[in-house]
Amino acid sequence: EAGVAQSPRYKIIEKRQSVAFWCNPISGHATLYWYQQILGQGPKLLIQFQNNGVVDDSQLPKDRFSAERLKGVDSTLKIQPAKLEDSAVYLCASSPGTSGNPSYNEQFFGPGTRLTVL
Amino acid sequence: AQSVAQPEDQVNVAEGNPLTVKCTYSVSGNPYLFWYVQYPNRGLQFLLKYITGDNLVKGSYGFEAEFNKSQTSFHLKKPSALVSDSALYFCAVRDMDTGRRALTFGSGTRLQVQP
Repeated sequence: EAGVAQSPRYKIIEKRQSVAFWCNPISGHATLYWYQQILGQGPKLLIQFQNNGVVDDSQLPKDRFSAERLKGVDSTLKIQPAKLEDSAVYLCASSPGTSGNPSYNEQFFGPGTRLTVL
Repeated sequence: AQSVAQPEDQVNVAEGNPLTVKCTYSVSGNPYLFWYVQYPNRGLQFLLKYITGDNLVKGSYGFEAEFNKSQTSFHLKKPSALVSDSALYFCAVRDMDTGRRALTFGSGTRLQVQP
């Protein structure tokens, strides 16, 4: 099966500019996550979707970050305006939505988008 | 709140020797525990998980981990290290007694296997 797809792989922008990242999860996976991984740190959850609804966005800086998953499949994460401290790798992950699936407790990660803010 | 500690930024081991990467966790309920590996410019790859059952969990590429509830630890082990095991390893936890399925990750441990 195809894995989690993300684009672009790399993005360089100047501070105060806007940027958007795209994620296409594994087919049939109802749950989608966006994580931020700052250099030297572990990934930190930004937002979790179940189908097209938000389950957890408690750590999303809502003044500048937004995310959507309108049709319950692919998702877009946007930063507007970007700050220097937003430089990080943005990881998308997905997992099956039903507890009957043996992979229910696993998360499958995409390759990430490396963002550099100058 | 849940948290994970990986006390070693880097572990160095000679090829063929056993390796251990340490992880301790904190959750209010019962834990689900995971190990992931990250190679340069790649996403996280799943290695193994502990959900319930045997405390010794076997995973991909010959890795295993031992769940120790009294010490709240989940150390990653391999009997004989390979140079190709050199990568960044992350331990992660989620509390099975909450509905929150997102993972909390440690800061990572870089494993360097010398030929």
